[in-house]
Amino acid sequence: GQQLNQSPQSMFIQEGEDVSMNCTSSSIFNTWLWYKQDPGEGPVLLIALYKAGELTSNGRLTAQFGITRKDSFLNISASIPSDVGIYFCAGQRRGGADGLTFGKGTHLIIQP
Amino acid sequence: GAVVSQHPSRVICKSGTSVKIECRSLDFQATTMFWYRQFPKQSLMLMATSNEGSKATYEQGVEKDKFLINHASLTLSTLTVTSAHPEDSSFYICSARDSEGVGETQYFGPGTRLLVL
Repeated sequence: GQQLNQSPQSMFIQEGEDVSMNCTSSSIFNTWLWYKQDPGEGPVLLIALYKAGELTSNGRLTAQFGITRKDSFLNISASIPSDVGIYFCAGQRRGGADGLTFGKGTHLIIQP
Repeated sequence: GAVVSQHPSRVICKSGTSVKIECRSLDFQATTMFWYRQFPKQSLMLMATSNEGSKATYEQGVEKDKFLINHASLTLSTLTVTSAHPEDSSFYICSARDSEGVGETQYFGPGTRLLVL
């Protein structure tokens, strides 16, 4: 199946630093979503984006839906130890009746 | 937020046996549920879309006779891995779409880890 191009694959940062990751696709998605997955658990939704150009924040997290509808980015400001985990972007084509296409994930590691 | 449960959380079985995994939406109705598979250190891959009261829709490359899906009620979908083999060992995760919710959000279950010996 198709996967989205997500980068970087992993990040090693110092606590307090800002983090940025992005996803691109060769095709259009009508919804972009960002999830965080801890080991052995299911993904937890962080931010959902429904309109091209939309910029949405959730606490220290900010995500944007690209104008072309083929990309999205997620920023995390002032990282803290509990931000450690794997972050996935996901795209949805037509709406709620569609399953999600996931990126390969960004493994965030924070050094205290 | 909405809660989705899965049972069992982990299962070990012998090669050739069948294993049933349940996915339940606890506080909302879900006409549509989705089943994903995640191999170690990889991303989630959509296997099939489960629709209440109708046949599931399978993604290309997923054998419908091997992965039987039943969505008998608005809060329950089951995935049965038939004649399981070691290569079926994986993390199986379901998600459910709130039929009456705002937006297109899917809520994920905690996953079921299957190990086939």
